[in-house]
Amino acid sequence: AQSVTQLDSHVSVSEGTPVLLRCNYSSSYSPSLFWYVQHPNKGLQLLLKYTSAATLVKGINGFEAEFKKSETSFHLTKPSAHMSDAAEYFCVLGADYKLSFGAGTTVTVRA
Amino acid sequence: DTGVSQDPRHKITKRGQNVTFRCDPISEHNRLYWYRQTLGQGPEFLTYFQNEAQLEKSRLLSDRFSAERPKGSFSTLEIQRTEQGDSAMYLCASSAGGENYGYTFGSGTRLTVV
Repeated sequence: AQSVTQLDSHVSVSEGTPVLLRCNYSSSYSPSLFWYVQHPNKGLQLLLKYTSAATLVKGINGFEAEFKKSETSFHLTKPSAHMSDAAEYFCVLGADYKLSFGAGTTVTVRA
Repeated sequence: DTGVSQDPRHKITKRGQNVTFRCDPISEHNRLYWYRQTLGQGPEFLTYFQNEAQLEKSRLLSDRFSAERPKGSFSTLEIQRTEQGDSAMYLCASSAGGENYGYTFGSGTRLTVV
C-alpha cells in the first residue's frame, strides 16, 4: 500500500530560525512525492515535487526537501522561517494516477 | 487561464437535501480529480476522470454520491440525501497527466449540512 506519515502534527518556531517538517513514506516502487501548503481559507499550493531526478529538491519561498530512499523519508526544510510561513503543510505521495495526503503539520511562527 | 475554478465557495443545506458542485479545470488538462477534506485532516481521494471517462472511485464514495464530466470539460459532483457527516471541504484538482505532471487545486467548496 502507498502511504505517507507526517511525524509531527504541530511545529512551532521563532521567526528567523530553521523549520523542519518530517515525512516518511511507504511505497512498493519509486514514488513521486510532493509537499503542499494550505493557508487559512486558501487553496492547496504546490511547494515542491520529487519525481526521481535530483534527490535534493528546491521549491518556492526558500523551501527544500531531500529524498532519502534508505530512510524512506522526504523531510521539508527552510533555513529561516518567516511569519508568512504559518500554515498547514501536507506531505503527499503520488501513485496510480492519484495523490495520497498525510494528515498535515500545522506550523506556527512566533515573532 | 486562471486555474481551477469551483462553484459555489460555500453551501449550507438541510439534511436530506441534494446538492451539486461544479469544477472547471485548466482547459488543457485531461485529468480531473475530486477530493474531500474534513477538519484537521488531509484531503482524501474520491474519484477521478480522464477526459469524460470516470476511471476510479474510492470506497468513500457511497451510492449517494455521483460525479460526471460530460464532454471532458467541467465536472459536477452531486450528493443526494445529504447527511451531517457529508460536511466537509470538497476539492477539485486537474492535471495534464499522471502524478509527474503535478496537480492544480481549486479553492474548494465548503459544505455544511445542518
